[in-house]
Amino acid sequence: SQQGEEDPQALSIQEGENATMNCSYKTSINNLQWYRQNSGRGLVHLILIRSNEREKHSGRLRVTLDTSKKSSSLLITASRAADTASYFCATDTNAGKSTFGDGTTLTVKP
Amino acid sequence: NAGVMQNPRHLVRRRGQEARLRCSPMKGHSHVYWYRQLPEEGLKFMVYLQKENIIDESGMPKERFSAEFPKEGPSILRIQQVVRGDSAAYFCASSPGQGALEGYTFGSGTRLTVV
Repeated sequence: SQQGEEDPQALSIQEGENATMNCSYKTSINNLQWYRQNSGRGLVHLILIRSNEREKHSGRLRVTLDTSKKSSSLLITASRAADTASYFCATDTNAGKSTFGDGTTLTVKP
Repeated sequence: NAGVMQNPRHLVRRRGQEARLRCSPMKGHSHVYWYRQLPEEGLKFMVYLQKENIIDESGMPKERFSAEFPKEGPSILRIQQVVRGDSAAYFCASSPGQGALEGYTFGSGTRLTVV
């Protein structure tokens, strides 16, 4: 089963609203990353949060990490149509590779 | 500083042919990871290589798939005798050390279509 699982699978909001996506995982991690993928394109790294961090900000992005619940959330504030994409979380363990979830597809309507 | 370069961007192969996918990591990165993505799904880990060494190939199918990262030149993912089920996007990522130290840098992928 997946190490990282995103929730919801799909999210549709109006421009200007906030979008929240959640990620749950199963085993202990070194860090957790969030990526964005536009349709037919590669993945773009958004933000990495380490296991000893609880919250991180980058522009309109806010990521939280709760290691006791093995979960993370990605908040995009004041969304724009250009934020329409799939968002993936990935967890990094001591094994050196990251494990990805199946993603949340975000649609931001103008 | 060029990012991770993958080629070709699109590859069409007939069933039974061989597919060779290339990945040149970012300058200074010696760790390469290959992932496969089926439509509407996330990335599935295939193999992790460091120069001239396979570190983890736990995600590679046992048959027909192989990967290498020679001392000189790009990393190669090779699929022999391709079947329709091999159609997918194959992404390569690189990092300067083991793991996503600051997040992986991904290439734009190779989209393989088997006809």
